[in-house]
Amino acid sequence: NAGVTQTPKFRILKIGQSMTLQCTQDMNHNYMYWYRQDPGMGLKLIYYSVGAGITDKGEVPNGYNVSRSTTEDFPLRLELAAPSQTSVYFCASSRGEGRNQPQHFGDGTRLSIL
Amino acid sequence: GQNIDQPTEMTATEGAIVQINCTYQTSGFNGLFWYQQHAGEAPTFLSYNVLDGLEEKGRFSSFLSRSKGYSYLLLKELQMKDSASYLCAVNREDSSYKLIFGSGTRLLVRP
Repeated sequence: NAGVTQTPKFRILKIGQSMTLQCTQDMNHNYMYWYRQDPGMGLKLIYYSVGAGITDKGEVPNGYNVSRSTTEDFPLRLELAAPSQTSVYFCASSRGEGRNQPQHFGDGTRLSIL
Repeated sequence: GQNIDQPTEMTATEGAIVQINCTYQTSGFNGLFWYQQHAGEAPTFLSYNVLDGLEEKGRFSSFLSRSKGYSYLLLKELQMKDSASYLCAVNREDSSYKLIFGSGTRLLVRP
């Protein structure tokens, strides 16, 4: 089982560049989430989606955009990279449908903005 | 506001028992999760509590007191591989199942 797959695993960007972090899941989960984790910190929710075509902002959405055209894919876009966006990004999914359903995480994308 | 507090670091000895505490103040509560995260890896699910009391799962147990806004994760018979960060997360609402995470407790298990 692949679960949640994120690409790339590592990336270095220059200030002002753009990129898309890819996330796909094969568990047919309706709910998907993007988090960032700064060193020694917990996870902060960037954006989330409760189904194809539906997205909403989390705690720290500024500088990011998302789309959800299919159940499987939930890409995260950085339009103008800034040093403050250097972080580890995790994508997660869950069935929802019951508050005890855990979120399943991908392996993360380590992003440095220089 | 939303606030979840955990100790930053803990150290324990192999074979011992350790308790990691989590206190929370959130607008809304629909359950509390514990995740384990090894350095450089993704978080993995450990336990879930929504009712008061203790949930036991092998060497790991988790306790919840909703009236006190308090939970703990109990790890028994510690092994070296238990060295990791332990994240407490609160689900505030049913409609989106969003989680608010604490900053995590880094546990070091020594021989």
